[in-house]
Amino acid sequence: SQQGEEDPQALSIQEGENATMNCSYKTSINNLQWYRQNSGRGLVHLILIRSNEREKHSGRLRVTLDTSKKSSSLLITASRAADTASYFCATDQPGSARQLTFGSGTQLTVLP
Amino acid sequence: DAGITQSPRYKITETGRQVTLMCHQTWSHSYMFWYRQDLGHGLRLIYYSAAADITDKGEVPDGYVVSRSKTENFPLTLESATRSQTSVYFCASSEGWLGNQPQHFGDGTRLSIL
Repeated sequence: SQQGEEDPQALSIQEGENATMNCSYKTSINNLQWYRQNSGRGLVHLILIRSNEREKHSGRLRVTLDTSKKSSSLLITASRAADTASYFCATDQPGSARQLTFGSGTQLTVLP
Repeated sequence: DAGITQSPRYKITETGRQVTLMCHQTWSHSYMFWYRQDLGHGLRLIYYSAAADITDKGEVPDGYVVSRSKTENFPLTLESATRSQTSVYFCASSEGWLGNQPQHFGDGTRLSIL
């Protein structure tokens, strides 16, 4: 069953603009991760945020987590054409028997 | 180069045939995972393994068999392929499992069952 749902499903922006993607989930979590997937390739881990953290940064990436709303957002600043990819959130829940549950992803297109 | 490799990258087979997808990692990670990726479903866990000779079912295990005789290899077998198993299959590994470890993915096997 899908725990995370990304929003929007697709996003198209111009190079240099910021891109924001959202992830909502249904049950309490231990951690939330974001992954990127380029066309025809495997997923690449971007950033992890723990349930007791509210914000985390990594380079041009900023992730926030609001456990009261059961949601997370991924902000990519100053986007580049190379950021064109699908972005997935993944959560692990207490008692989840070692399973990461992935959302269905946001397809980001950055136009040069 | 260190990493995780899957083979074959593409496979076409017929219903009822047995097919094995291979996965090899060079990090000596304890945990390995098999996922399938379908439009509208994201990634769904098929099986995972915590160590050699230790495997367990994920969300969608029916029709699949795994083994792990060596830490570095984690093959996935479809014993009698069905059209519904047409998908992209990803293998992943992680150093441990506390949910706070990133998973490292191969580039996938695109499997078509006719």
